Amino acid sequence: KAGVTQTPRYLIKTRGQQVTLSCSPISGHRSVSWYQQTPGQGLQFLFEYFSETQRNKGNFPGRFSGRQFSNSRSEMNVSTLELGDSALYLCASSLSGQRSGANVLTFGAGSRLTVL
Amino acid sequence: AQSVTQPDIHITVSEGASLELRCNYSYGATPYLFWYVQSPGQGLQLLLKYFSGDTLVQGIKGFEAEFKRSQSSFNLRKPSVHWSDAAEYFCAVAFTGGGNKLTFGTGTQLKVEL
Repeated sequence: KAGVTQTPRYLIKTRGQQVTLSCSPISGHRSVSWYQQTPGQGLQFLFEYFSETQRNKGNFPGRFSGRQFSNSRSEMNVSTLELGDSALYLCASSLSGQRSGANVLTFGAGSRLTVL
Repeated sequence: AQSVTQPDIHITVSEGASLELRCNYSYGATPYLFWYVQSPGQGLQLLLKYFSGDTLVQGIKGFEAEFKRSQSSFNLRKPSVHWSDAAEYFCAVAFTGGGNKLTFGTGTQLKVEL
């Protein structure tokens, strides 16, 4: 059974550009969440999608956006990149998206973004 | 405010020694609790979780954790550490009604001396 697949694994952008990251969840998983990991801020929740709807959003500026497709694949976009956006972006999927929080998340290997 | 604290940033243990990594949370109710491990350049791998029931939970790779409600803690333990356990360990919490929004601790970097 394939795990959570994130592409690209590594990318370099310059300030002001935009970037799109892709996440393919485990087959059958309907919930996809995104996290940002930086040395300074640690792991921070970006947003969660379930059945193509954004269900929860973290405390990030509007430059960070995402979407989920009917096949549960998800993309996140960061516009007008800043140096501080350099990070490992992790995607996680879960079979169910119980609002209670009692869900098991499986993480991908991440997309490492470097902004120059 | 809801938060998760891992007080130890770095821990060094000798191979074969026991290990305990601390995790405390601040929340008015019982959250859902997780421990994840991250090796360099990799994503997060779930070690174990606590949702309800028996407060001592067993995970993969010989790890266990104990939920102590009175101390708001969920400490991770392993009786005998292997060199391959060197990694960064994250405690995470899902608060009731938060869906898949996990709040992570700052992580504990484990070094294993041979």
